[in-house]
Amino acid sequence: SQTIHQWPATLVQPVGSPLSLECTVEGTSNPNLYWYRQAAGRGLQLLFYSVGIGQISSEVPQNLSASRPQDRQFILSSKKLLLSDSGFYLCACSGKWDEQFFGPGTRLTVL
Amino acid sequence: AQKITQTQPGMFVQEKEAVTLDCTYDTSDPSYGLFWYKQPSSGEMIFLIYQGSYDQQNATEGRYSLNFQKARKSANLVISASQLGDSAMYFCAMRESLSNDYKLSFGAGTTVTVRA
Repeated sequence: SQTIHQWPATLVQPVGSPLSLECTVEGTSNPNLYWYRQAAGRGLQLLFYSVGIGQISSEVPQNLSASRPQDRQFILSSKKLLLSDSGFYLCACSGKWDEQFFGPGTRLTVL
Repeated sequence: AQKITQTQPGMFVQEKEAVTLDCTYDTSDPSYGLFWYKQPSSGEMIFLIYQGSYDQQNATEGRYSLNFQKARKSANLVISASQLGDSAMYFCAMRESLSNDYKLSFGAGTTVTVRA
């Protein structure tokens, strides 16, 4: 079964600073990968998804970007963070059937 | 329009009792999948159970069962014999169509608190 790693686990960044969150997947090949953001006490908002290397689809306009340089690596980035970028970021990959499996998440606080 | 609706923001249940979490969905796709996830305070999202739109029987997984009523477009989760460890937020989600992106739409979630 697949294992999803995310780092860092927590991050506190000043407004205007850059961001790089990394997600790597083990135990599967050519998965679909997803980045979600969750505000406190709220549901998940899909930010980006990728069906293959170099293929990125954006779900919502924002100052974030995503890249997939390798089959099992998915990166979420920003050149300049905003206060509204604070949240819990979850990486997920597609399972053998329809389900998605999630990583442990990164808690980002922008001050 | 909201694709997944969870109308119960929070619920309390006594230990060892059953609890039903409501979920209604909206889709015009003939083929779709419905999921329930559990999110404890640690933040991880744990996949619980899956129901395909063409499945004839309700899905079950241990103490979890999905009450699938296709005509009503509802997919309620039933947790039997609640345990203290069941206290968490629960999300209903749906995947539409047979596209290869497998995107999920999530509801707003229901917080379950199990009382001893």
